[in-house]
Order: sequence, then C-alpha cells, then structure tokens
Amino acid sequence: GAVVSQHPSRVICKSGTSVKIECRSLDFQATTMFWYRQFPKQSLMLMATSNEGSKATYEQGVEKDKFLINHASLTLSTLTVTSAHPEDSSFYICSARVPTNEKLFFGSGTQLSVL
Amino acid sequence: DAKTTQPNSMESNEEEPVHLPCNHSTISGTDYIHWYRQLPSQGPEYVIHGLTSNVNNRMASLAIAEDRKSSTLILHRATLRDAAVYYCILRDPSNYQLIWGAGTKLIIKP
Repeated sequence: GAVVSQHPSRVICKSGTSVKIECRSLDFQATTMFWYRQFPKQSLMLMATSNEGSKATYEQGVEKDKFLINHASLTLSTLTVTSAHPEDSSFYICSARVPTNEKLFFGSGTQLSVL
Repeated sequence: DAKTTQPNSMESNEEEPVHLPCNHSTISGTDYIHWYRQLPSQGPEYVIHGLTSNVNNRMASLAIAEDRKSSTLILHRATLRDAAVYYCILRDPSNYQLIWGAGTKLIIKP
C-alpha cells in the first residue's frame, strides 16, 4: 500500500520557537494532503487541506499565520508551527489522498511538546 | 456534514469475532462509509470502505444496512494487535475531508 512518511516523530521546543513538520508520500503523488491535530484521548480535528501548488484551505478557528502549510510538490507538504506556545502542544498528523483512490493514507504523527 | 454514532468502547475475547456498530441516520445517497483504526501514539490506518454493498478485505468485513443508516465492521478473529480506536466516518464525495467522531475503543482480552 501507499506509504506516507512524517518527520519528526517527536519534537520538544522552547516557547516562541518555530517547528517544521514534514509529510512525504513515498511511492505516489498526492494531489491533496490534510493536516490534523489530536489532543490526548480526543479524536482527530482537521486543521487544513492543502493542494499542490495552491494555498491551503484552513478550517474555521485555525490561524493560518500560526500554522503555515506549504505543499510545493506532489510528494511533500510541510506544516510550520510559528512562535509555538505550550497550548500548541499536541499530536499532529498528516494524511495524503491518492488520486482515483478512495483511501486516505496517514503519517505516523508528530508529538509536539512546547516548554 | 453527516454524523456517525458509535459506542465509546467494546470488549472482546481474543480469537473471537467482533462486531463494531455505527449509526449514520443522516447519511446522504452519495456518502461513502469509511472505517479507520488508530493504535496508541500512531496515525490512523485504513481498514475498509463501502458505499452500498457489503465489502470484504483481508483485514475486515463491512456490512451495510439496506437503508444505509447503519453499518457494522466485522473483525472475524480478533487478536491483541486489533486493540485500537475504530472510527466510522462518512465522506462526502464532493471533497475528501474526513470528519472524525469519537470512535470506539476496542479492548481485546487474552
């Protein structure tokens, strides 16, 4: 099956710094990628949808200037959490859609801890 | 977006079949029914999907009610590795976003 690689798996940073999370589709071209966040014992919450070569579409309540998404190629999307604060600590997950395939493939997630 | 309702948790014995129910009474005629599962500290994993007919794959079976207002994910022989949170999700074909409910935490007893 298709593989989505997400890095890093875990990151600890100081408050005020920026953190970049990468999501790569390893063996397919992903026209659309999705970014989610998940708090402990809660479900996934969709943050934004990114399409290759165009601006991401953010869900209501998600600050686009804080969570910068870049989808510059068909195999790579990045999420940058700018000026991170402790309340941004969460599990971030990306997923990618294979064209003409109903399935979504997910990365293994990134646990962000902001001190 | 159409919503799904699942039990918060279920328990089953190892090596026995598991039936995970999902209600989706507001489903539209074109919504796909997806099932994903998530192990602790991992990203979700695709399990199965269907539209109208029952579906089988190597992981599970999906039984869809005739009126499509409910569906059941069937794990034919549960193992300890099947312990996870199982999400039943409806997908609007006009977009590929998945709106996640609370899911069912499946506990497998040895």
